[in-house]
Amino acid sequence: DTGVSQDPRHKITKRGQNVTFRCDPISEHNRLYWYRQTLGQGPEFLTYFQNEAQLEKSRLLSDRFSAERPKGSFSTLEIQRTEQGDSAMYLCASGTLIYEQYFGPGTRLTVT
Amino acid sequence: KQEVTQIPAALSVPEGENLVLNCSFTDSAIYNLQWFRQDPGKGLTSLLLIQSSQREQTSGRLNASLDKSSGRSTLYIAASQPGDSATYLCAVYSNSGYALNFGKGTSLLVTP
Repeated sequence: DTGVSQDPRHKITKRGQNVTFRCDPISEHNRLYWYRQTLGQGPEFLTYFQNEAQLEKSRLLSDRFSAERPKGSFSTLEIQRTEQGDSAMYLCASGTLIYEQYFGPGTRLTVT
Repeated sequence: KQEVTQIPAALSVPEGENLVLNCSFTDSAIYNLQWFRQDPGKGLTSLLLIQSSQREQTSGRLNASLDKSSGRSTLYIAASQPGDSATYLCAVYSNSGYALNFGKGTSLLVTP
């Protein structure tokens, strides 16, 4: 068990470009979560998957954001037409129990 | 909407001191409360999980308490060490059980 992994760890992109992040949960974890953390703030919930079904989405997840978990294993988070306000750390977490979340190292996005 | 507040925002103590970090939440109808540690530029490490039926949890030099009626939790760190320097985040589970609602954290510096 190597823990939750996220790729890339750092991403620098120009405003208007699309970016995609990947999260690999701990093996056999059926629950997967995405959070966003801006500087000086706590993480904010974005979305939740149980297996391949997306069961909850935050209002923070605007139309430019889309998340998938096609086979109930890894997940991707795509941001289209990035804006400077999207600069943040994007955290992924996984778990099996409803009140249990193990976090990955995060992907730091910088939009220039 | 659940609001989680952490006081103080920052704290500096000399090595060896005992210290208390505070967390308050507005909706006492929580399920569980969890304390995390975050090192600069890193993901989150779970420290202690307190179930709603419990009043405290202990792990090594850490002790977390929960008072649902007053909407408060405290994290007590005994005999602090420079390695304890990090940001400590308090988070509560929403009614749906999917999203964690985080405070902004307390940045702790333990000086040798």
